[in-house]
Amino acid sequence: GAVVSQHPSRVICKSGTSVKIECRSLDFQATTMFWYRQFPKQSLMLMATSNEGSKATYEQGVEKDKFLINHASLTLSTLTVTSAHPEDSSFYICSGRGELDTQYFGPGTRLTVL
Amino acid sequence: KQEVTQIPAALSVPEGENLVLNCSFTDSAIYNLQWFRQDPGKGLTSLLLIQSSQREQTSGRLNASLDKSSGRSTLYIAASQPGDSATYLCAVSSGANSKLTFGKGITLSVRP
Repeated sequence: GAVVSQHPSRVICKSGTSVKIECRSLDFQATTMFWYRQFPKQSLMLMATSNEGSKATYEQGVEKDKFLINHASLTLSTLTVTSAHPEDSSFYICSGRGELDTQYFGPGTRLTVL
Repeated sequence: KQEVTQIPAALSVPEGENLVLNCSFTDSAIYNLQWFRQDPGKGLTSLLLIQSSQREQTSGRLNASLDKSSGRSTLYIAASQPGDSATYLCAVSSGANSKLTFGKGITLSVRP
């Protein structure tokens, strides 16, 4: 099956710093990628939809200036959490859209902001 | 607005039991429905995808059914094993290239 990787898998940073998370589709081209966040014992909440070569579409309530998304190629999308705060600590998961509208998910990135 | 519900939130069964996980959705105009598995601290693994025109899909010991008109799907797991312990999420898509709406998941524990 299609594989999506995320890097890093775990990151700890100080409050006020910025963190970049990479999402790569390894064996397929993903014109559309999605970014989700997940709080403990909760389901995934879609943050934004990223289309290659165009601006991301953010869900209501998600600050586009805080969560910067870049989808520069068909295999790479990045999420940058700017000026991170403790409340941004969460599990961030990306997915790439493949054949038959199936979404293939990355392994996730655990962000802890001190 | 589409809402997806999975009840109960947690389930514990002895090894070898056949079991059914339920998923319901409020808007029957779906494009497809997917079942995912999530292990603790990990991403999601797609188990089965059912297109809106289909009634069921099977993969190994897993069988997923879809009743679009009643807004329900079930995931049947045959002969459960401790390795099946995980959280199972269902998600629906309302159209091609549209986003997925997830349920909160059912955390399954299979006791040896």
